[in-house]
Amino acid sequence: GAGVSQTPSNKVTEKGKYVELRCDPISGHTALYWYRQSLGQGPEFLIYFQGTGAADDSGLPNDRFFAVRPEGSVSTLKIQRTERGDSAMYLCASSARTDNEQFFGPGTRLTVL
Amino acid sequence: GQNIDQPTEMTATEGAIVQINCTYQTSGFNGLFWYQQHAGEAPTFLSYNVLDGLEEKGRFSSFLSRSKGYSYLLLKELQMKDSASYLCAVRDHTGGFKTIFGAGTRLFVKA
Repeated sequence: GAGVSQTPSNKVTEKGKYVELRCDPISGHTALYWYRQSLGQGPEFLIYFQGTGAADDSGLPNDRFFAVRPEGSVSTLKIQRTERGDSAMYLCASSARTDNEQFFGPGTRLTVL
Repeated sequence: GQNIDQPTEMTATEGAIVQINCTYQTSGFNGLFWYQQHAGEAPTFLSYNVLDGLEEKGRFSSFLSRSKGYSYLLLKELQMKDSASYLCAVRDHTGGFKTIFGAGTRLFVKA
């Protein structure tokens, strides 16, 4: 079956612009996670959804970051007024339950010029 | 808060055995994961421990001691394709179910 997909694979934007990153989890997976990863570091937790609700958004760095999952499937990570420091690989993962292994998507490479 | 420590880099020889250690501090421990990540790729799941002891899966084994806040990943019969980063991750249920990753251990397997 299809794995986790993320679009776009690459996004280049200018400082101050708004971006949306999309994640399609594995069908039937109720848990969805967003991470940010910089070179040489492990994934940094941003937010976790259980169904449609954000069960834990404590990793979002500030109020420029927001994520939604309106129908409990596809999720969108939204970043307003992007800054150069937002440049990173943004990874999405899903799991069948919260105590299961997470399956990662290929990521979106965000570059803010 | 949470803290995860693992060595930055390790080098081992093809066919050998290597042990990658991970120590963690967390207030709401709810399981420990090991993931493998090849350069430029997404992490892939290797193992999960929630109870003390050793979990074996083929060439890979993972050990957990909750009282010591310690885990290790053991890779046997190393192959060149095992050259990758190995990420230790702890699930914490304090306030939710976030998963906190360590910075990863870059393993270089040489011939």
